[in-house]
Amino acid sequence: AQSVTQPDIHITVSEGASLELRCNYSYGATPYLFWYVQSPGQGLQLLLKYFSGDTLVQGIKGFEAEFKRSQSSFNLRKPSVHWSDAAEYFCAVAGIGTAGNKLTFGGGTRVLVKP
Amino acid sequence: GAVVSQHPSRVICKSGTSVKIECRSLDFQATTMFWYRQFPKQSLMLMATSNEGSKATYEQGVEKDKFLINHASLTLSTLTVTSAHPEDSSFYICSAPPPNLITNYGYTFGSGTRLTVV
Repeated sequence: AQSVTQPDIHITVSEGASLELRCNYSYGATPYLFWYVQSPGQGLQLLLKYFSGDTLVQGIKGFEAEFKRSQSSFNLRKPSVHWSDAAEYFCAVAGIGTAGNKLTFGGGTRVLVKP
Repeated sequence: GAVVSQHPSRVICKSGTSVKIECRSLDFQATTMFWYRQFPKQSLMLMATSNEGSKATYEQGVEKDKFLINHASLTLSTLTVTSAHPEDSSFYICSAPPPNLITNYGYTFGSGTRLTVV
């Protein structure tokens, strides 16, 4: 069965500083990986996804993520954080081949942005 | 891109009553719909997978008789929380997978339903 681990529950970063959110996955075949962001009381917004090809993926809002198969990781980065980036971030893996392509989420990382 | 409309966005109900949550795919046919539950400050936990025209598949530990799922058409999936209790208060989100994963929009999520049982 697939699983996703986000080791950091909370991260506090100063506005303008860089941000990196860690994500490790477990899946028996080639994973389909996603990063979502959720603002308080809101639904999910897709930041970026990886299926195949270039392992460095560009997303919306200036985010990027790098797939590293050898480390089973898909870390999310942003060079310069804005106050509006304060939110909950979820890494997810799609179980291709399982019934209905089930999407499994990590525990999430809450990002706080200091002025 | 694909859109899933979820209603209601918020609902408050009395303990012991039932609540129905609807998710409609507006511009595509969703043969599958995933239903997630999210407790405050926690992640999304998959509850069940609904498939059009067949029985839903429930995750381990999810009560089938409490969380009734119906997927009667290619554009509508419903989750009914029966005999709701305060511990059922949560944020419920539906999600439809894309026809294939190479599309640009990935999985489509409803906007969520905040259920409060009093």
